[in-house]
Amino acid sequence: EPEVTQTPSHQVTQMGQEVILRCVPISNHLYFYWYRQILGQKVEFLVSFYNNEISEKSEIFDDQFSVERPDGSNFTLKIRSTKLEDSAMYFCASSYTGGGGELFFGEGSRLTVL
Amino acid sequence: DAKTTQPPSMDCAEGRAANLPCNHSTISGNEYVYWYRQIHSQGPQYIIHGLKNNETNEMASLIITEDRKSSTLILPHATLRDTAVYYCIVRPLNTGFQKLVFGTGTRLLVSP
Repeated sequence: EPEVTQTPSHQVTQMGQEVILRCVPISNHLYFYWYRQILGQKVEFLVSFYNNEISEKSEIFDDQFSVERPDGSNFTLKIRSTKLEDSAMYFCASSYTGGGGELFFGEGSRLTVL
Repeated sequence: DAKTTQPPSMDCAEGRAANLPCNHSTISGNEYVYWYRQIHSQGPQYIIHGLKNNETNEMASLIITEDRKSSTLILPHATLRDTAVYYCIVRPLNTGFQKLVFGTGTRLLVSP
């Protein structure tokens, strides 16, 4: 069964460092997303991406965050200068359609900022 | 904010049906009801969705009341692996992108 894969599974970084989280969405999917979940809290939408551009972003997704699809398979989330409050599980997701159907989530990348 | 209300926790015996309720009294005519679950800290997993008719797939059944103000997710024969947090989400189908708004969900504990 096709799946969304994410790397790394866990990353520890120092405050102020840049972090790149990587995702390989399902191959024929066209819509890509990042969500995050701070420990013990709700899953929160960060950004959606389609046709090589951001289609929607949340208030959380400020100038410190960026997304990119550098080639035909990878989808990345970059945090330029990490803060303690960026510590969370980051989930990549993809879907074939934008309107309906299901969203396929990866297993997540746990980011710990010290 | 999430537009749904769910009980914070439920218990179910293994092999029995798990019936998870969801209240969405302010649902609009173009909004669908989606159910996802999250096992431990894994990525959320899609279960089922519907508009107004009851739906069934290999994982579960979704029963939506006639006035669409509430729904019930049914896991017909719960197993230990169904222990998870279950999220009921309403979203318009005609929007381009799947910005899911997760609430706190129902933590289902399936016991032997």
